[in-house]
Amino acid sequence: GAVVSQHPSWVICKSGTSVKIECRSLDFQATTMFWYRQFPKQSLMLMATSNEGSKATYEQGVEKDKFLINHASLTLSTLTVTSAHPEDSSFYICSAIWASGRGRGAKNIQYFGAGTRLSVL
Amino acid sequence: AQSVTQPDIHITVSEGASLELRCNYSYGATPYLFWYVQSPGQGLQLLLKYFSGDTLVQGIKGFEAEFKRSQSSFNLRKPSVHWSDAAEYFCAVVAGTASKLTFGTGTRLQVTL
Repeated sequence: GAVVSQHPSWVICKSGTSVKIECRSLDFQATTMFWYRQFPKQSLMLMATSNEGSKATYEQGVEKDKFLINHASLTLSTLTVTSAHPEDSSFYICSAIWASGRGRGAKNIQYFGAGTRLSVL
Repeated sequence: AQSVTQPDIHITVSEGASLELRCNYSYGATPYLFWYVQSPGQGLQLLLKYFSGDTLVQGIKGFEAEFKRSQSSFNLRKPSVHWSDAAEYFCAVVAGTASKLTFGTGTRLQVTL
């Protein structure tokens, strides 16, 4: 299957600082990537859809000024948690769409990164 | 809107025993269905997927799943579980063209030796 790399895997930062998380599709191009947040023992919560060359689409309740998303190339999307606070501590996971076909007949598959554990002190 | 239900929060099976994890979906048309597995502290790995055609799909690690339209189900099975299968399993559905996944709440599998 397709490989998605996420970096860093674990980051600790002080309250008030910003943290950038990278998501790369290593062996395919992804016009669409997704960012999720996962709380302990819970399912994934979609935060935003990252589209190459355009603004990200955020889910309801997600602060776009807090979670900045940049999808500058077909293989890289970044999530920046700005002015992080302890309540932002969480597990963040990205995914990239591998598209088989085009248009309505496309069979898109999401491949996931290994996740980033963010701890804000 | 589509939804996914995984009725079993936690399942414990003995190594070597068979396994079935339940998944029910709600969607008006034929959905695209997926099973993912997540080990602790890791991302999600795709086990298998259903788009169309044969309703019994084979995946990696010896897993299979059967799509049953009449029951709106997509249950995951494995004939003989290994201790390394202990993980969290998520069923997911994609509806429409947005490619967004709707996840179930997950089933935690524990394997006893």
